[in-house]
Amino acid sequence: EADIYQTPRYLVIGTGKKITLECSQTMGHDKMYWYQQDPGMELHLIHYSYGVNSTEKGDLSSESTVSRIRTEHFPLTLESARPSHTSQYLCASSKPGTGEDTQYFGPGTRLTVL
Amino acid sequence: AQSVTQLGSHVSVSEGALVLLRCNYSSSVPPYLFWYVQYPNQGLQLLLKYTSAATLVKGINGFEAEFKKSETSFHLTKPSAHMSDAAEYFCAVSSGDSSYKLIFGSGTRLLVRP
Repeated sequence: EADIYQTPRYLVIGTGKKITLECSQTMGHDKMYWYQQDPGMELHLIHYSYGVNSTEKGDLSSESTVSRIRTEHFPLTLESARPSHTSQYLCASSKPGTGEDTQYFGPGTRLTVL
Repeated sequence: AQSVTQLGSHVSVSEGALVLLRCNYSSSVPPYLFWYVQYPNQGLQLLLKYTSAATLVKGINGFEAEFKKSETSFHLTKPSAHMSDAAEYFCAVSSGDSSYKLIFGSGTRLLVRP
């Protein structure tokens, strides 16, 4: 059982607000990832991190930003939320070294921007 | 570049019937392959993974998958479907480079009829 947490689970917010989606893991994993998933659709990688002070953009362009100040924490921020940001955001982590890099997922945050 | 194709966005079976979810991959390197399951409003849970050991991989909840290099396939099966198996299933392949990203298929929604 993976120990990776996301808060809030659900968020409804108005346009223009700044939001931060939290993601924490207690497994000591170096790598962490953020995915965006529209209902019934595939996952798109938007950010990832190799470790502290390392962040990279993923395959899908996103207006969000991330930071990695601590190994266990990988928050995602939207400076000014828009309805187009409405989606589910999934955080994952993995332990490098073996090459297989199994990713373990949090429960997700479902964001609705009005 | 790695890619994954899942044939059939929806699969419907009767309770007790065989479950077969199809996944074909493209990879320029020996692949690591994964099946994840997603229940409504939840994150992804690892069902099983292939990491170049046995070609027949057994996972949780009675699922298994067979890696067939000649067919570039990694189909997921379960002999007898339960109502609780109704969910979205995602096949994924590792990126094969130092980023250790996963490339996901578009998903297959499994419906189980009573």
